[in-house]
Amino acid sequence: AQSVAQPEDQVNVAEGNPLTVKCTYSVSGNPYLFWYVQYPNRGLQFLLKYITGDNLVKGSYGFEAEFNKSQTSFHLKKPSALVSDSALYFCAVRASGGSYIPTFGRGTSLIVHP
Amino acid sequence: DTGVSQDPRHKITKRGQNVTFRCDPISEHNRLYWYRQTLGQGPEFLTYFQNEAQLEKSRLLSDRFSAERPKGSFSTLEIQRTEQGDSAMYLCASSSRTGPNTEAFFGQGTRLTVV
Repeated sequence: AQSVAQPEDQVNVAEGNPLTVKCTYSVSGNPYLFWYVQYPNRGLQFLLKYITGDNLVKGSYGFEAEFNKSQTSFHLKKPSALVSDSALYFCAVRASGGSYIPTFGRGTSLIVHP
Repeated sequence: DTGVSQDPRHKITKRGQNVTFRCDPISEHNRLYWYRQTLGQGPEFLTYFQNEAQLEKSRLLSDRFSAERPKGSFSTLEIQRTEQGDSAMYLCASSSRTGPNTEAFFGQGTRLTVV
């Protein structure tokens, strides 16, 4: 079985400061990892993914994520937060050799204060 | 490419009624997923299609739920005899046929309220 843990329900950060949203995963075999963002009453928008290769992955809107196999983590980061980054963030995982169905975490609410 | 489209965006129904939702995936995406999301939770997997074949169903999916994807294009999700616990956002997603590692793209969702 595959699973995702997002240990923080909410992350607060001041505009201009760096942000980190944490994600750890459990999966059999090699993971495919994804981050999505959700704005109120909207669907999920894809931000970035890790499939293989460089552990640091860059995505949309200046976000990046670092894959750490030993810690089974895939934390989302941004060097300088914007108020418009305030939203729900979801981490997802699926096994590279398994079904094509991603499993999502519970989500983390990011609040960026002006 | 107009993205994944879901209809309706909102549905209010009385308990016991049947409802049907439609999802139009990105054209030529052969994989289609249905998820359910309740407040404060992440999306929970319901069912998965590859082309017209329904390959996986969650144990969460009771007998009152049925999904189809005729001809491997659009999909419908029907809930019979709705209950208040069915109130949620129903999300549809699709992903490409090209390669195993492509991400899923989501529609805007259908918010169901059962009163």
